[in-house]
This record gives sequence, structure tokens and C-alpha cells, in this order.
Amino acid sequence: GESVGLHLPTLSVQEGDNSIINCAYSNSASDYFIWYKQESGKGPQFIIDIRSNMDKRQGQRVTVLLNKTVKHLSLQIAATQPGDSAVYFCAERPGTYKYIFGTGTRLKVLA
Amino acid sequence: SQTIHQWPATLVQPVGSPLSLECTVEGTSNPNLYWYRQAAGRGLQLLFYSVGIGQISSEVPQNLSASRPQDRQFILSSKKLLLSDSGFYLCAWKPPGYEPQHFGDGTRLSIL
Repeated sequence: GESVGLHLPTLSVQEGDNSIINCAYSNSASDYFIWYKQESGKGPQFIIDIRSNMDKRQGQRVTVLLNKTVKHLSLQIAATQPGDSAVYFCAERPGTYKYIFGTGTRLKVLA
Repeated sequence: SQTIHQWPATLVQPVGSPLSLECTVEGTSNPNLYWYRQAAGRGLQLLFYSVGIGQISSEVPQNLSASRPQDRQFILSSKKLLLSDSGFYLCAWKPPGYEPQHFGDGTRLSIL
């Protein structure tokens, strides 16, 4: 399959620990943010989203935090599992139709 | 439920040959449609998006073009491929409003 993220920043986490993946977004006008997970050879898969009128949103084992003051977004994964190993992208919506994606972070889960 | 189909999964083409990649969406109407390219070690580069039949917005000047002949069909084309066109091409759709994009499984394009 496609080798995604050969030179991406990598976060290595022990299985069972919590993971925190960070993202700095660029446009202060962005009002909607999304986290995606991409496994090798596949398209990005939606994980969780948040609108700019919120600062925290929780899903199943995942939490997204938004700090608009410093234009920072984070994804927290609780009790990280081997299946969480992938490249994670944040995306922002600065306008009605276009989304801007970050460069991605590779998460490696160590057994 | 909605599904997105993208094909072929892999494609090897000689330099100078034409290209046609197709993407179709099922289970929704009037979706916003997108073509992205992803180079190894990079994020997603938006190439084209469409908000309706025949409406195409281009984000990056290049030798690629896109068309939307039907509501749920989005086609990426080139008359003459360059070596630099190699990459992983992803199609995505989204409903109107504050909604995430949903991606196909991509086409790995290698130019020889």
C-alpha cells in the first residue's frame, strides 16, 4: 500500500498509555476542526470534530481540545491500543467549502 | 448509508499518457466533492472541489483537470501526465454545512 508519512513527526506511546497529538492551525477565521486517522494504503478516516464555539468534545476513547487563543488543537486517545497506530491529521475549515489539512503525526504504539 | 467509490486502486502510466480517475458517491444528493493529492511524507493538497454539477474550482495550477458530469460523479483527468504527477489521489465528499469530509480509499498513481 501507499507509504504515508515517511518523514512525519512520530509519537511513540506504550500500549495502554494515553496519547496526545497536537496541531497548530493557521487561520483565525476557521470555525470548524476535524481529526482524521489514516492507515497505510487507505484514505483518511473521520475520528472526531469540534466547532469553534466549543473548547472540548469527547467521543469514544478520544477527546479533542480547542484553544482558539493560541490556535491549537489536540487529540487525546485514552488507553492507546495497537490498532491506533496510524498517521493522524487535523483539518480546519477557514471558509464554506475548503478544508486545510495539517502535515500529520505518526502514532506508533509499542507493545 | 453513504458510500464513496474510487478506482482504480493502483495505476502505472507512462509519461505523456492521458489519465482518468473516477469517483462516485452513493446514498446522498448534491454533495460537495473534492480531489486531493498526497505525496509521501506530506499532508493532503487540495486540487479541485465542486459544489454542484458542472461547477469546478481549481486550487493549484497544473496539467490536471476535473469534471462533474453527474451529481455524484467526480472525474480527475490529464491529457499528458508528468513524472511529478505521481502520488496518492484521494476523492472525498461532504454534505453541506459543518460536516467532515469522507474519503475514498485512494488511487496510487505511478508515472514511469
